[in-house]
Amino acid sequence: EVQLVESGGGLVQPGGSLRLSCAASGFTFTIYWMNWVRQAPGKGLEWVANMNQDGSKKQYVDSVKGRFTMSRDNAKNSLYLQMNSLRAEDTAVYYCARTDYGGNSLGYWGQGTLVTVSS
Amino acid sequence: QSVLTQPPSVSAAPGQKVTISCSGSSSNIGNNYVSWYKQLPGTAPKLVIYENNKRPSGIPDRFSGSKSGASATLGITGLQTGDEADYYCGTWDSSLSAGVFGGGTKLTVL
Repeated sequence: EVQLVESGGGLVQPGGSLRLSCAASGFTFTIYWMNWVRQAPGKGLEWVANMNQDGSKKQYVDSVKGRFTMSRDNAKNSLYLQMNSLRAEDTAVYYCARTDYGGNSLGYWGQGTLVTVSS
Repeated sequence: QSVLTQPPSVSAAPGQKVTISCSGSSSNIGNNYVSWYKQLPGTAPKLVIYENNKRPSGIPDRFSGSKSGASATLGITGLQTGDEADYYCGTWDSSLSAGVFGGGTKLTVL
């Protein structure tokens, strides 16, 4: 069974940092592109970043470029999102998701972890 | 403001059919596959349509997808109360080099 389990969310002050993790199991992690998607409270989905199988290609939404860094450890079947210089507008549930089909279709999602940026 | 445009809400009676539209441009829908996601309150989104019109395993054939030019449509027939959810379209935008979603459509089964 495919499982994606996020962790690392919490309350952080504006300007602070947080590192999210996503533990993958039940599939061959090394052959999939992976993504982070977020959802602000009461709002819609926003794609944040994705990364190819070996981590050599990364793409980010403009609003997080220069502040967020996505990485992966294929030996640990894990995905990460290092978030620096956090702003109130980064407050959201952050999901990791697996790219399964064309058009960056996301076939499996984790349960999400809540990040709250507030003083 | 989302890159893809969806109606905020749609509604229909049980057993009826509903369609949800998703409008984009040549840099996204016009030249990339479209996916649709169903999200129940407090839960993660679930893929219901991929590559414009294909259904993942376990998704009933009451769900269908289509694409024409820079627009896509999700159709749901034989509506059930369990279909009440928020639905999002998504694709890749080749100009932005980023994933994009619609703003979401709340489906109410009256």
